Amino acid sequence: DAKTTQPTSMDCAEGRAANLPCNHSTISGNEYVYWYRQIHSQGPQYIIHGLKNNETNEMASLIITEDRKSSTLILPHATLRDTAVYYCIVRVAESGGTSYGKLTFGQGTILTVHP
Amino acid sequence: ETGVTQSPTHLIKTRGQQVTLRCSSQSGHNTVSWYQQALGQGPQFIFQYYREEENGRGNFPPRFSGLQFPNYSSELNVNALELDDSALYLCASSVQVNTEAFFGQGTRLTVV
Repeated sequence: DAKTTQPTSMDCAEGRAANLPCNHSTISGNEYVYWYRQIHSQGPQYIIHGLKNNETNEMASLIITEDRKSSTLILPHATLRDTAVYYCIVRVAESGGTSYGKLTFGQGTILTVHP
Repeated sequence: ETGVTQSPTHLIKTRGQQVTLRCSSQSGHNTVSWYQQALGQGPQFIFQYYREEENGRGNFPPRFSGLQFPNYSSELNVNALELDDSALYLCASSVQVNTEAFFGQGTRLTVV
């Protein structure tokens, strides 16, 4: 699986957009970008994923650069409840081989939303 | 629709003992994965079960084993517990092997 690089921590004011960057310069053509978040002492929560097109759902937007080497997760109007560790993960799209469906978590970005 | 549920939520065991953790997958999901999360670290993949067969394993010793049942619920068994096995154990289920996975709240295991 391709490795991802994220900033260790970020701050955001409540009500403002939170833009979380992720670098995945070694991503392969058959790998998706997934985002999860983990609020203290809870299980990770799925946010969004994409292959090469930008994606949006009720939680967030995912912007993937044209060369697919980096992406940005956007929380349009951050609230205090969005304070969490955010994980950017690259994952193979097809099953089989040695990667299966596993998610390889790094250290993530600690996002702190303040009033 | 119920989500992924794990039991128990907390557990304390003595070094050398054996433990069984349980996971009920989300309705309609036939794939279950288990992860170990040590304090301050990201979750680490233990193994995955698809339709009752193990189809992927991370870098964990054989004393970590599992089962998946016909209703797609799953168990994680750990034998000969070591102090370093103290962690949050997470179960995740998905519709297929390579679709988005949804996690339970985890079981906090403490080995003393």
